[in-house]
Amino acid sequence: KAGVTQTPRYLIKTRGQQVTLSCSPISGHRSVSWYQQTPGQGLQFLFEYFSETQRNKGNFPGRFSGRQFSNSRSEMNVSTLELGDSALYLCASSLGTGTGANVLTFGAGSRLTVL
Amino acid sequence: KNEVEQSPQNLTAQEGEFITINCSYSVGISALHWLQQHPGGGIVSLFMLSSGKKKHGRLIATINIQEKHSSLHITASHPRDSAVYICAVDRAGNMLTFGGGTRLMVKP
Repeated sequence: KAGVTQTPRYLIKTRGQQVTLSCSPISGHRSVSWYQQTPGQGLQFLFEYFSETQRNKGNFPGRFSGRQFSNSRSEMNVSTLELGDSALYLCASSLGTGTGANVLTFGAGSRLTVL
Repeated sequence: KNEVEQSPQNLTAQEGEFITINCSYSVGISALHWLQQHPGGGIVSLFMLSSGKKKHGRLIATINIQEKHSSLHITASHPRDSAVYICAVDRAGNMLTFGGGTRLMVKP
């Protein structure tokens, strides 16, 4: 079956612009979570969506937002880009059901460069 | 102090050696994940543990909930095992807190 698909894989933006990244989960997976990876801060949790609802949010400013559609595809948006937003953005999907943890399947990531 | 600490940060081994990577955490968790990241960025989930021990091929992961410690072992290491290994604790709903990673290089 198809894996987790992230688009675009690479993009370059300038400060002040906004960007939208997309994540298509594995078929049947209802949870999508987003993570940011930078050389300085490592991997950090951004937010998690399940059945179109944000269940958890990390410690990021309001410029970072996301949403999930009825087909479980998710988008994240970063507005008013800053140089420090340059990072690899990873999404992961899981079944998301129950109260326990779920095995995650990661996408290849979207590498954002802000000039 | 970071909530998730990994050691060592860097590890160089000869092919065939037994490798151990350690992870200690200081918060309550629902599960612990071991992840592998190759150059280029893709992350693969190796294990998800909430208790005991799991084995997959040459990889073994253990967790001691009382001591808040987990280990990842690689038996008979091979150059293709060269990657960054990341420990992550799941506090709730895939809200992961990550360790800093262990960069492993296995030389032939």
